[in-house]
Parts: sequence; C-alpha cells; structure tokens
Amino acid sequence: DAKTTQPNSMESNEEEPVHLPCNHSTISGTDYIHWYRQLPSQGPEYVIHGLTSNVNNRMASLAIAEDRKSSTLILHRATLRDAAVYYCILRASPMYSGGGADGLTFGKGTHLIIQP
Amino acid sequence: DTGVSQNPRHKITKRGQNVTFRCDPISEHNRLYWYRQTLGQGPEFLTYFQNEAQLEKSRLLSDRFSAERPKGSFSTLEIQRTEQGDSAMYLCASSSGQINSNQPQHFGDGTRLSIL
Repeated sequence: DAKTTQPNSMESNEEEPVHLPCNHSTISGTDYIHWYRQLPSQGPEYVIHGLTSNVNNRMASLAIAEDRKSSTLILHRATLRDAAVYYCILRASPMYSGGGADGLTFGKGTHLIIQP
Repeated sequence: DTGVSQNPRHKITKRGQNVTFRCDPISEHNRLYWYRQTLGQGPEFLTYFQNEAQLEKSRLLSDRFSAERPKGSFSTLEIQRTEQGDSAMYLCASSSGQINSNQPQHFGDGTRLSIL
C-alpha cells in the first residue's frame, strides 16, 4: 500500500482555520485520498475523500495538490469538538483492487489540539 | 440509522480464556470489517466480509482468531486462548459496498479487551 506521512501533532486556536497536511509521494493514479478522525474513546469517523479535484462537505474541505503527492484537510473554523486524531489514508479504487483489498491502512495520524 | 453497535464495550478476562465479541452493522450494509487498535497506534485491519463471505484476512489474524458472519448481518470475533498481547480495542465497521465505489466505513465505538 502507498504510504502517507503526517505530522505527529498540531495545535490551533478555537474558531480559527486549521490546515492538516499529508504527504503521499508514492500515490498511484487510482488511489483515492480519504480522511478519517478519531475522537477520544470513540471509533474513527469518516471526514472526506477525493481523487484529483478539491472537495467540500459540511465537515471540512480537502485540497489536493496538482501532482497529487500531497493534500491538506481544512477545518474552516475549529471548535473544541474538533480535537481528535486525524488520519490521512490512501484507498485503492475497488474496481482496480479486484474488490478484495478493502481494509483501510491507518498510520499514526495527527493529534490535533484545540486551545480555547 | 442506529449506527454500528458493538458488545460488550469492555471485557476483562484471564490469560488463556476464550472471548467473543459481537458487531451489529448498520442495517443493509453488506460489508463488515474488523480492526484492532493498541494504545497510541492507528487501527490495524484484521478481516472483512462481503455479506456472509470472508474475503480478506490480514496476517495479523492468527489461528487463535476466528470471525464469522453467518447470515450476512451481525458478526462475531472470537479469540481463543487469549494472550497478554491481545489486549487492545477491537473495532468493527460497516459500509455499503458496490464495485467502483468509495463508500466510507462507519465504525462502532469498539470493545476494549484487557487480559489479566
């Protein structure tokens, strides 16, 4: 599986934007970029995913570099409830993985700390 | 949508005992996944089912581990002859799976296993 690299931790202030980077220099053309987050004492939660174009949803935005070797998860206005570990994951399209390789490969993620 | 439900939430047992965990996925989700998470690490994929068929197993899934999904709905994960190293959070996730889709995985809050 292609690997991702994220900072171990980041700190931000409440009500300010947060940019969480992820490097994935060995990404293949068919890999999607997924982000999940895990709040304390909970299971991971899906945030957003994309392939080439930038994506927006109610939780966050995903900015993907033109060469796709890096991406950034953007929380537009952080709240204390956004304090979590954020995971950047590459996921092969099931069409190209033969439908069999479907488990997510989590790294250690970025521990986001939000200061009030 | 009641979410993915896992029982029990906590399990404490003595080394050498057998334990069984249950996962109830979101109804009509045909894919079900098991992961293991130790302290400070991201979740690690163990196995997954499409309906009742077990399609993929990680090398982490030793012979002492067995997972079933007999009717394509709920799943059980059994660990026989538990060892200290089995202490972890066991997470279950489900998704609706169609070929060429990138449906997110929805996680439960896990079963925390402690081996005495």
